[in-house]
Amino acid sequence: SQTIHQWPATLVQPVGSPLSLECTVEGTSNPNLYWYRQAAGRGLQLLFYSVGIGQISSEVPQNLSASRPQDRQFILSSKKLLLSDSGFYLCAWSSGLAGGETQYFGPGTRLLVL
Amino acid sequence: DAKTTQPPSMDCAEGRAANLPCNHSTISGNEYVYWYRQIHSQGPQYIIHGLKNNETNEMASLIITEDRKSSTLILPHATLRDTAVYYCIVRVRSGTYKYIFGTGTRLKVLA
Repeated sequence: SQTIHQWPATLVQPVGSPLSLECTVEGTSNPNLYWYRQAAGRGLQLLFYSVGIGQISSEVPQNLSASRPQDRQFILSSKKLLLSDSGFYLCAWSSGLAGGETQYFGPGTRLLVL
Repeated sequence: DAKTTQPPSMDCAEGRAANLPCNHSTISGNEYVYWYRQIHSQGPQYIIHGLKNNETNEMASLIITEDRKSSTLILPHATLRDTAVYYCIVRVRSGTYKYIFGTGTRLKVLA
């Protein structure tokens, strides 16, 4: 069966520091991968998605970037964190095949920027 | 720009059916309706999805109106563990399949 991992689970970082969040998927190949952010009390906002290695699409302009160095690895980064980057970051995957577009979410990373 | 509208909160007695409504009046003919739930501090959990026909699985039933402008998620026998935020989502195709999340319904199951 497929599983999705995210780490770290929680992170407290000072303003201006760099960020690297990692997401990995097991049990499937060539998945579509997604990064979402959830602000407190809000719904999820899609940040990035990837349909293959090295292929990244950005949904909203922001202080973040994403990379996909391997088929089942998705990384969210920032060079300098802002206070507004605080939130709950969720990675998701889907099979990408016709009829397999349901997205499955990881456990999330809670980021607090101070 | 959420494409769905849900009541912000609902209560349901334990053991009773929980009926969660959702309006999606601008949905297009090929856009699916998905339901997820999120228990505090966890990632959203997939529940069910449908296009135009009613659907049922081991977790819930999804009733979609004939004009597809609204739907209802039914949890047949709510338990305390069903307390969560429930999201009704329209899946759109734009490059890839994207979920447009709203703010959801906070369901509280009461003992």
